[in-house]
Amino acid sequence: GQNIDQPTEMTATEGAIVQINCTYQTSGFNGLFWYQQHAGEAPTFLSYNVLDGLEEKGRFSSFLSRSKGYSYLLLKELQMKDSASYLCAVILRGYGGSQGNLIFGKGTKLSVKP
Amino acid sequence: DVKVTQSSRYLVKRTGEKVFLECVQDMDHENMFWYRQDPGLGLRLIYFSYDVKMKEKGDIPEGYSVSREKKERFSLILESASTSQTSMYLCASSPVGENEQYFGPGTRLTVT
Repeated sequence: GQNIDQPTEMTATEGAIVQINCTYQTSGFNGLFWYQQHAGEAPTFLSYNVLDGLEEKGRFSSFLSRSKGYSYLLLKELQMKDSASYLCAVILRGYGGSQGNLIFGKGTKLSVKP
Repeated sequence: DVKVTQSSRYLVKRTGEKVFLECVQDMDHENMFWYRQDPGLGLRLIYFSYDVKMKEKGDIPEGYSVSREKKERFSLILESASTSQTSMYLCASSPVGENEQYFGPGTRLTVT
């Protein structure tokens, strides 16, 4: 079966750094996504990693280790608006004649306190 | 900007009713998806489509069907709604050759 694990909830302080971990065991792998979802809203794309290493995009960075089945999302200089759920998702196979499925973790609810 | 719209933000239906949830995207994407999202369970794929009139089952297709008569529109149908189908329903789309999916705002369906 497919399994993606991430912590259910995290709390951090405004201005701090927080790391949200994601581990996966899947039958295939063609990349890993991080999405942000504010309460009552649609998920929005944050990052996509397909090769090992760190991808940096402003205050957000995402890391992937394929051999360990592990990723993390790093948020720096936390702001109150970063309070949201963060979803880790693995795409099992790439695009060809048929769509590759995205398998989602249950999400990590991050609360940023003043 | 990619825009994915869903016909309703909130919907209340009675048990046994036939329910249609509509999704439209304006970016000529080939691939479209229907998910449901429940607390503690995350996003789960119901059905997806990679071309007009093509459909494939996702992880939880039971109790649902879909229709894709036009490229821009993907409909999710609950033939006979049940209380267990009370959930947030999210539609997404993506173009061929790109893995990122673009989500609509969601429809919160309550079945009483």
